Amino acid sequence: EIVLTQSPGTLSLSPGERATLSCRASQSVTNNYFAWYQQKPGQAPRLLIYAVSSRATGVPDRFSGSGSGTDFTLTINTLEPEDFAVYYCQHYGDSPLYTFGQGTKLEIK
Amino acid sequence: QVQLQESGPGLVKPSETLSLTCAVSGGSISSDNWWSWVRQPPGKGLEWIGEIFHSGSTTYNPSLKSRVTISIDKSKNQLFLRLTSVTAADTAVYYCASNGHYSLLYWGQGALVTVSS
Repeated sequence: EIVLTQSPGTLSLSPGERATLSCRASQSVTNNYFAWYQQKPGQAPRLLIYAVSSRATGVPDRFSGSGSGTDFTLTINTLEPEDFAVYYCQHYGDSPLYTFGQGTKLEIK
Repeated sequence: QVQLQESGPGLVKPSETLSLTCAVSGGSISSDNWWSWVRQPPGKGLEWIGEIFHSGSTTYNPSLKSRVTISIDKSKNQLFLRLTSVTAADTAVYYCASNGHYSLLYWGQGALVTVSS
């Protein structure tokens, strides 16, 4: 089972700044089945990025994903007030099929 | 756009069975798609429970496999989650979701289930 570790646990930034969120896999990911989600308080997660770098429908282009091997990154350019939330990375693999990171909380500084 | 709505008892006693329903609208549960259940304990992260295809084929998280059953009713466009022998550790918000490209595309709003006597 691949374990995903997200860093930092909490990221404090101001609107207009760039956010870089990291997700490290415990072993090299051989497929590109890597996704990112945004979750706001009291809401369900929302798919942002799939297949490492593809934006889901309706996701603003300030969100981008990248990475390979064991290191994956979600970048949010020019933070908007509505971007402050918890972000989860996710890998699709063998067993269990879906594993999630523990989350990074992006908070307003 | 597919919409999902979870429903079921909000309180379950320890050792009993948790049962939830997910109603799918805006799309057919018989489409070429898998459907998942995911849970989130209060203040914690996400845990994938399992998935089902309209044929009835299922895949479960090994950590829950002995206690979980996911089923489907194509005539009602619904899927179901059954979790037996629950404990306080099963207290969580339970989500149903439609699978996308090796990701979870559409989510229900979630149903909080508390395990307590």
